[in-house]
Amino acid sequence: DTAVSQTPKYLVTQMGNDKSIKCEQNLGHDTMYWYKQDSKKFLKIMFSYNNKELIINETVPNRFSPKSPDKAHLNLHINSLELGDSAVYFCASSRGPGPDTQYFGPGTRLTVL
Amino acid sequence: AQSVAQPEDQVNVAEGNPLTVKCTYSVSGNPYLFWYVQYPNRGLQFLLKYITGDNLVKGSYGFEAEFNKSQTSFHLKKPSALVSDSALYFCAVTDSGGGADGLTFGKGTHLIIQP
Repeated sequence: DTAVSQTPKYLVTQMGNDKSIKCEQNLGHDTMYWYKQDSKKFLKIMFSYNNKELIINETVPNRFSPKSPDKAHLNLHINSLELGDSAVYFCASSRGPGPDTQYFGPGTRLTVL
Repeated sequence: AQSVAQPEDQVNVAEGNPLTVKCTYSVSGNPYLFWYVQYPNRGLQFLLKYITGDNLVKGSYGFEAEFNKSQTSFHLKKPSALVSDSALYFCAVTDSGGGADGLTFGKGTHLIIQP
């Protein structure tokens, strides 16, 4: 069983479109995250949710909106996609906030043409 | 603000030799330190972490890391490298300030093990 899963694995779309990436964890964790990995492999936190409540919202454009329908899911919706949004997006979860180990999904490679 | 530095973009080691991947950090509170590995086109896999206690932490696949508070370092080590250890390694930190802080990652170090 996959602990943290993401769909889709690959997403190719045109500039200006709206797209969503879904994330689900079956670990019973309370905290979930979205990270962005750019073309140089640099990883940066975007959002963090704890018990469905937004905790961290780093400097991310308003076009990015996370949604957590329940503790096991954290989806990422992106409006008006731009070329610079092309990256690999990773979802992660941890038992709680702070020092608990974060477990990562396989990533979604987004390509904006 | 917290930060992580991985000074080497790439480390080359012959198979069977010991390996070290360097990491230094900066946090305002007590550090929680992690090492992750990323294989091509895969997600990040947890290797080990330091929270408190013994400065030498043992993790998956024979890796270990030593926490050095005075040098603010958390170098990753393995006594005998395998070709299959070749991958991208990330050091990460969060502090004890509380809240669901995300991890701050270093830029990654490519580890290449030569047969």
